[in-house]
Amino acid sequence: DAGVIQSPRHEVTEMGQEVTLRCKPISGHDYLFWYRQTMMRGLELLIYFNNNVPIDDSGMPEDRFSAKMPNASFSTLKIQPSEPRDSAVYFCASSFDPKMNTEAFFGQGTRLTVV
Amino acid sequence: SQELEQSPQSLIVQEGKNLTINCTSSKTLYGLYWYKQKYGEGLIFLMMLQKGGEEKSHEKITAKLDEKKQQSSLHITASQPSHAGIYLCGADRGRNSNRDDKIIFGKGTRLHILP
Repeated sequence: DAGVIQSPRHEVTEMGQEVTLRCKPISGHDYLFWYRQTMMRGLELLIYFNNNVPIDDSGMPEDRFSAKMPNASFSTLKIQPSEPRDSAVYFCASSFDPKMNTEAFFGQGTRLTVV
Repeated sequence: SQELEQSPQSLIVQEGKNLTINCTSSKTLYGLYWYKQKYGEGLIFLMMLQKGGEEKSHEKITAKLDEKKQQSSLHITASQPSHAGIYLCGADRGRNSNRDDKIIFGKGTRLHILP
């Protein structure tokens, strides 16, 4: 398996534009996590899915953020409209059930810059 | 509120020296993960600790879980330039919450190795 694949690796967009980040988890993993990393706040959990169903979205900062997982091999994180303060590195991770004490595997991240 | 506190926030060490990074939880630890992140890249899993007093090693990196203190320490012996990066501790929320499959992280410790 190629690991967790995220696209794009870098995204520069203008304030107000819609941004869509994509993630392909490792095949067979039934948990998918979206994180955001900034210098100030570190690595924050935004939302996670279990078997394609959103379980906890309490970390999603605002209604401008939405995430979907239409099938087991694909997830998107959308920001509409984007703002400069959304600039960060967004990571997707997948795993088996964390309660089974297995690690999460991370993608390389998408570095988002909103100007 | 931040549940995992890491110290120090950053560390500059002469090559060859030993160092220790700490991770303290505000809640009982059921499972603790250590990850390493090279600048601009994703997180790489180092090791996971589950039981109080458990100690694991990976090459020159040793981590220990002190469950009573709700703390883990990561120790690097004879540091090398390849050890440079950001070290993050993560915790399985375990049985602390109804939503018990989250993996949350500390803000990380930035390690610089001077040649």
